Amino acid sequence: DVKVTQSSRYLVKRTGEKVFLECVQDMDHENMFWYRQDPGLGLRLIYFSYDVKMKEKGDIPEGYSVSREKKERFSLILESASTNQTSMYLCASSLVLSVLPNYGYTFGSGTRLTVV
Amino acid sequence: DAKTTQPPSMDCAEGRAANLPCNHSTISGNEYVYWYRQIHSQGPQYIIHGLKNNETNEMASLIITEDRKSSTLILPHATLRDTAVYYCIVRVADNQGGKLIFGQGTELSVKP
Repeated sequence: DVKVTQSSRYLVKRTGEKVFLECVQDMDHENMFWYRQDPGLGLRLIYFSYDVKMKEKGDIPEGYSVSREKKERFSLILESASTNQTSMYLCASSLVLSVLPNYGYTFGSGTRLTVV
Repeated sequence: DAKTTQPPSMDCAEGRAANLPCNHSTISGNEYVYWYRQIHSQGPQYIIHGLKNNETNEMASLIITEDRKSSTLILPHATLRDTAVYYCIVRVADNQGGKLIFGQGTELSVKP
């Protein structure tokens, strides 16, 4: 079964720590995405990548960076974690739009990050 | 980007059809309508998508109006496990892969 795997289900970090959230997909998808989900705000796109070493800012990139050194792995980095980054983080992957019919995104199960 | 409007919540009796509406009056001609659902504490799950024709798969049916300004997701025989938040999304079509922009969705409660 195809999968998007996020390395941790729950994570607790201290304010100011550098935090790495890892995401791996086994579907040879070109595109990968990081979202965060907060009550009342829904899912918001942080960053996405459509190829190795390529990245694009989403709607809320401030305080985050990403790394994509290999096609299957997309990392989200919180350079200096803050309490307002406490959230559920969701990784997703998809084929390139031009590949039709595109059946959509596959999401991981999420990482619930708490910054204290 | 075309935006969608969905009712915030709906109830459905177990075994009955659940009909979830979505308005997307500003949709462009090359934009698809996608439906996802998110069961509590899980990542969103793809359900179905369509351009202008009605679509059916093992999970659901998608009915798109002729003017494409609205659509309805139909779960033909809802079960308790279908309780989830359902998102209707119009896909932004760009060369790098079409970002999915999520709205607030409809919280469907299937009741015994």
